Amino acid sequence: ETGVTQSPTHLIKTRGQQVTLRCSSQSGHNTVSWYQQALGQGPQFIFQYYREEENGRGNFPPRFSGLQFPNYSSELNVNALELDDSALYLCASSAGKKNTEAFFGQGTRLTVV
Amino acid sequence: AQSVTQPDIHITVSEGASLELRCNYSYGATPYLFWYVQSPGQGLQLLLKYFSGDTLVQGIKGFEAEFKRSQSSFNLRKPSVHWSDAAEYFCAVGARDSGNTPLVFGKGTRLSVIA
Repeated sequence: ETGVTQSPTHLIKTRGQQVTLRCSSQSGHNTVSWYQQALGQGPQFIFQYYREEENGRGNFPPRFSGLQFPNYSSELNVNALELDDSALYLCASSAGKKNTEAFFGQGTRLTVV
Repeated sequence: AQSVTQPDIHITVSEGASLELRCNYSYGATPYLFWYVQSPGQGLQLLLKYFSGDTLVQGIKGFEAEFKRSQSSFNLRKPSVHWSDAAEYFCAVGARDSGNTPLVFGKGTRLSVIA
């Protein structure tokens, strides 16, 4: 067990709605990255937060946004949900920006109907 | 930009047999290299990583991987597979030369183990 916790575990949303996913990073880690894993695919990088600031972003539209709090926990917000947003969302925490050892949470399974 | 290719979508091996999962990467220099395992509905667990030095790295659960620069490969091996090894395996690369180093993953190889 990594110490990275994500909530909720599962949720179902309707197209057009908004969703917030949460991640508590491992103790001592100041960097959180979010990944989207569609069914049958590898995880894809959404963005990374380092000490409360966005530190890089993958090829995702602006309706995917995030926050990192002073305790280094993080939120992923997705607005105007689309059916293709259905996926497993993974949070990874690490000690520093270089992700030399990223620890993943169990993920949040989002289903958009 | 980095990319990772895992040529085998699905592999089936008998319990006790040896295993090799292939991974090829594309990157302009030597990247950080990782293998992760994912059980159904679960997150990713790090099996092993390569940063520098000895090109044969040992990981958890009896896994090892060998970095071959000339072939841009980082294949995962296990001498004797156990039924509990059935899972999805992901190879990933991370850049060395930037402050932002997201991991780039392959599409994964699903391992089935039969008696």
